[in-house]
Amino acid sequence: GENVEQHPSTLSVQEGDSAVIKCTYSDSASNYFPWYKQELGKRPQLIIDIRSNVGEKKDQRIAVTLNKTAKHFSLHITETQPEDSAVYFCAASIGSGNKLVFGAGTILRVKS
Amino acid sequence: GAGVSQSPSNKVTEKGKDVELRCDPISGHTALYWYRQSLGQGLEFLIYFQGNSAPDKSGLPSDRFSAERTGGSVSTLTIQRTQQEDSAVYLCASSSLGGSQPQHFGDGTRLSIL
Repeated sequence: GENVEQHPSTLSVQEGDSAVIKCTYSDSASNYFPWYKQELGKRPQLIIDIRSNVGEKKDQRIAVTLNKTAKHFSLHITETQPEDSAVYFCAASIGSGNKLVFGAGTILRVKS
Repeated sequence: GAGVSQSPSNKVTEKGKDVELRCDPISGHTALYWYRQSLGQGLEFLIYFQGNSAPDKSGLPSDRFSAERTGGSVSTLTIQRTQQEDSAVYLCASSSLGGSQPQHFGDGTRLSIL
């Protein structure tokens, strides 16, 4: 079945620097890759997603890139701010269906 | 419109008791998912309902866990004879029909087994 690996498990950056989180997946039929941000005690919130027909998507300070050949995708956050501190989860669809497999999460700390 | 609603937000119960957790998905969403999140951990898939199809129960950890979805809307997750290892946050999500769609999460139920 689908397996999603996420790195790093923790990431500390200085305010204003960029942060990059990487995920790999195993199912070549996966076609949907969302990213969620979860603040302490809160629900996971969708921050950006990408489908397999595009290689990159950007929304203000957040961007996601997808390399289908290598089966990996990455989250890029530029000009990080303290409020970006949270746990970030990547996920990949199982084939073209609705079911998702999640990575283990990355704790991002932005130091001011 | 309203998001995914879960109740109760917190539940404390004694080991061996049964518990019921409720999820009210976003109106019109035909897919509904239950996940479990232990402290500091990722999201563990439990069960998935899609329209009128038979649910995907492949993630349920034991036969003490069951879920139903009545009328294609509200879902109830039931845990029988609770154990301390069942303590976790139980999250519900819903999505609309049609290929892979974004899942929207509720606030979860924090379950504590004494």
